Amino acid sequence: GAVVSQHPSWVICKSGTSVKIECRSLDFQATTMFWYRQFPKQSLMLMATSNEGSKATYEQGVEKDKFLINHASLTLSTLTVTSAHPEDSSFYICSARGGGQFDSPLHFGNGTRLTVT
Amino acid sequence: GIQVEQSPPDLILQEGANSTLRCNFSDSVNNLQWFHQNPWGQLINLFYIPSGTKQNGRLSATTVATERYSLLYISSSQTTDSGVYFCAVAPRETSGSRLTFGEGTQLTVNP
Repeated sequence: GAVVSQHPSWVICKSGTSVKIECRSLDFQATTMFWYRQFPKQSLMLMATSNEGSKATYEQGVEKDKFLINHASLTLSTLTVTSAHPEDSSFYICSARGGGQFDSPLHFGNGTRLTVT
Repeated sequence: GIQVEQSPPDLILQEGANSTLRCNFSDSVNNLQWFHQNPWGQLINLFYIPSGTKQNGRLSATTVATERYSLLYISSSQTTDSGVYFCAVAPRETSGSRLTFGEGTQLTVNP
């Protein structure tokens, strides 16, 4: 149980275009999901917390107008990278807490590798 | 925010060897997880262990919450164990289990 599905697994786009990444909890409901970004040879950094039915909470330094998050249902959160530039090329991973319990582990999707040309 | 330090940063082993990875954290936590990131970027959830000891096959983990550290033991290592091992924690005073990751340990197991 507690499977998080992320789509697409990789995407290549041209500079200036927008890209949408989907994160789904397949067998549980997730009122909260988390979006992380990982640059090569680095650790995962939290970008934002996605809350179902309300605005996302962004970490310091993350542009909310560039990284649009929508959490319209209890099983789906989307991250849209708007007007992508080469420096946005990175590995984006979402996660959700399995079972919704405060003291339960977070489960991660398989990630999306974004390359902006 | 909470600080998470992992050691060693890099580790090279011969197949069959044992190893211990360490994770120190700077504050009380209500969530601690160990992950293995494979070469394709997938994060494999190894342990959810905010305290105590757990074992899963050749892997085991111990968290001493009062002393703010956790250890991951890998026994009889195999080449498929290669990859990056991350420790991630959520501070006790926060809600929603926002995990902060350490910098990871890059493990290479040679045949």
